[in-house]
Amino acid sequence: EAGVVQSPRYKIIEKKQPVAFWCNPISGHNTLYWYLQNLGQGPELLIRYENEEAVDDSQLPKDRFSAERLKGVDSTLKIQPAELGDSAVYLCASSFQTGELFFGEGSRLTVL
Amino acid sequence: QKEVEQDPGPLSVPEGAIVSLNCTYSNSAFQYFMWYRQYSRKGPELLMYTYSSGNKEDGRFTAQVDKSSKYISLFIRDSQPSDSATYLCAMSAGGYNKLIFGAGTRLAVHP
Repeated sequence: EAGVVQSPRYKIIEKKQPVAFWCNPISGHNTLYWYLQNLGQGPELLIRYENEEAVDDSQLPKDRFSAERLKGVDSTLKIQPAELGDSAVYLCASSFQTGELFFGEGSRLTVL
Repeated sequence: QKEVEQDPGPLSVPEGAIVSLNCTYSNSAFQYFMWYRQYSRKGPELLMYTYSSGNKEDGRFTAQVDKSSKYISLFIRDSQPSDSATYLCAMSAGGYNKLIFGAGTRLAVHP
């Protein structure tokens, strides 16, 4: 069974440029999470979807971050414009209902 | 002060040693306690899950929760080089929905 797939794995951009990350969850998992992991820190929840609905986006910086989950499957996380402090790993995770989370390998962003 | 505190290490031990990893927390509402293992440049994977207080054993791994002290531990017996990774504690008041992670402890097991 395929795990959570994220792309790109690595992205280097200049500050003020836009960037987008894509996540394909495990088949059948209706709940999808985006986490931010700064270097030397644990993951922090940005947004949680149940099907198409964002049920918890309280930690998403809405001035520059946006996310969508069309058709309740794949999801995209966008940053526009990127700032130096956005350099981090963006992790996607999925679960069936509110069960165990399965994480992808992450998208590592470097903002120059 | 963070809700979950975890010593970042690094912790270096010889193969075969018993490893003790710990986290403290401040939120008395936490009922669900997990340990995740994260290899370099990979996503976290669930290692142990405990609800409320008590011990749980799975092979070489034992998780302990002491809610009275707000302290959780993960013990690894007969540690192997393949156990070298970052270990993250995580906890929540309501299952997997709102996990609060510790900063992670980096462990190196050398042959």
